[in-house]
Amino acid sequence: ETGVTQSPTHLIKTRGQQVTLRCSSQSGHNTVSWYQQALGQGPQFIFQYYREEENGRGNFPPRFSGLQFPNYSSELNVNALELDDSALYLCASSRENQGADTQYFGPGTRLTVL
Amino acid sequence: KQEVTQIPAALSVPEGENLVLNCSFTDSAIYNLQWFRQDPGKGLTSLLLIQSSQREQTSGRLNASLDKSSGRSTLYIAASQPGDSATYLCAVPDYKLSFGAGTTVTVRA
Repeated sequence: ETGVTQSPTHLIKTRGQQVTLRCSSQSGHNTVSWYQQALGQGPQFIFQYYREEENGRGNFPPRFSGLQFPNYSSELNVNALELDDSALYLCASSRENQGADTQYFGPGTRLTVL
Repeated sequence: KQEVTQIPAALSVPEGENLVLNCSFTDSAIYNLQWFRQDPGKGLTSLLLIQSSQREQTSGRLNASLDKSSGRSTLYIAASQPGDSATYLCAVPDYKLSFGAGTTVTVRA
């Protein structure tokens, strides 16, 4: 059984650029959530996708957008990057569209915005 | 809105001591509570999940308790080892996970 994978591992961008981060969910999981973790803080929920539809969004501006594909993999896109977007971006997948289930996290993508 | 707080923010103990990590949450209507471990710059590893109907959950040297009425959970790590050095996060779900800021643990050899 393949776990949650994310790519790339590290990324360096400059302010104003756009970035796409990718996540492959664990086999059999149809729900993907994205989190942003700034240094020294806990992860903050960005949004969740369930069967290719956005299913909840945290307090993030519209320049944070996402997609989920028929194979349940997902992308996080961030436009007009700002310095404060520098963080570890975590993807988590789960079997059901319910909080009671265990979410499995990927290793994260470290984004640095200069 | 669910608020999750973890105290202390950091903890340093000599090897062999027991660790006590605290987590509090504001909304007691929870499905479950999870404890995670995070090594520096890495993703999250789930340690324990306590269902709302449970009061305790154990895995090896780890024991987590849950008191929904008081909005508290405690993670106990027995006989700490240097390999236990990491940040420990608690999280409460609805359709998403609400995390505390974590407790960073250092176990000194």
